[in-house]
Amino acid sequence: ELKVEQNPLFLSMQEGKNYTIYCNYSTTSDRLYWYRQDPGKSLESLFVLLSNGAVKQEGRLMASLDTKARLSTLHITAAVHDLSATYFCAVDGVGGGSQGNLIFGKGTKLSVKP
Amino acid sequence: NAGVTQTPKFRVLKTGQSMTLLCAQDMNHEYMYWYRQDPGMGLRLIHYSVGEGTTAKGEVPDGYNVSRLKKQNFLLGLESAAPSQTSVYFCATNFPYQPQHFGDGTRLSIL
Repeated sequence: ELKVEQNPLFLSMQEGKNYTIYCNYSTTSDRLYWYRQDPGKSLESLFVLLSNGAVKQEGRLMASLDTKARLSTLHITAAVHDLSATYFCAVDGVGGGSQGNLIFGKGTKLSVKP
Repeated sequence: NAGVTQTPKFRVLKTGQSMTLLCAQDMNHEYMYWYRQDPGMGLRLIHYSVGEGTTAKGEVPDGYNVSRLKKQNFLLGLESAAPSQTSVYFCATNFPYQPQHFGDGTRLSIL
């Protein structure tokens, strides 16, 4: 069974602090996606990591991928309130990328407090 | 340019009623998906389509049917709604190997 596990599922941070969200997966996928969802809203694509060792950064968020360990991390630097949201990681499901379907983790709900 | 549009945005049904959710996209994407999102469960794939006239089952297909008669539209049907189908439904689309673009969701309550 294909599994994607995120931890922590809930994260309360103070502004200015750093933290990392972890995403472990059980497939051999070389492609991993990170999405953001604001409360009551749709999902927005943040990063696509395409190969082992890939690192991408956007503002205070940095994502990395270790395909050998089947692990991706989303690192938050100097958190600000605007980063409060739920973050999902996802990998290719059955059929791989050619079928397009994704397996999502359960999400990490991040709350950044002053 | 609307992107991915879901209709309706909200709906309340009684057990046993039927309804169809519509997903329309104007991005010429080949692939389309229907997910449901439940608290603590993340997103789970119901059905998906890799092209006009094709559909396939996802992780949780029971109780749902789909059709992709036109490239730009993907319909999700509930033939006999059950309270367990109360959820938020998201449609998504993409080109192969590209990030998925999501609609705003349909909040469905079944009493």
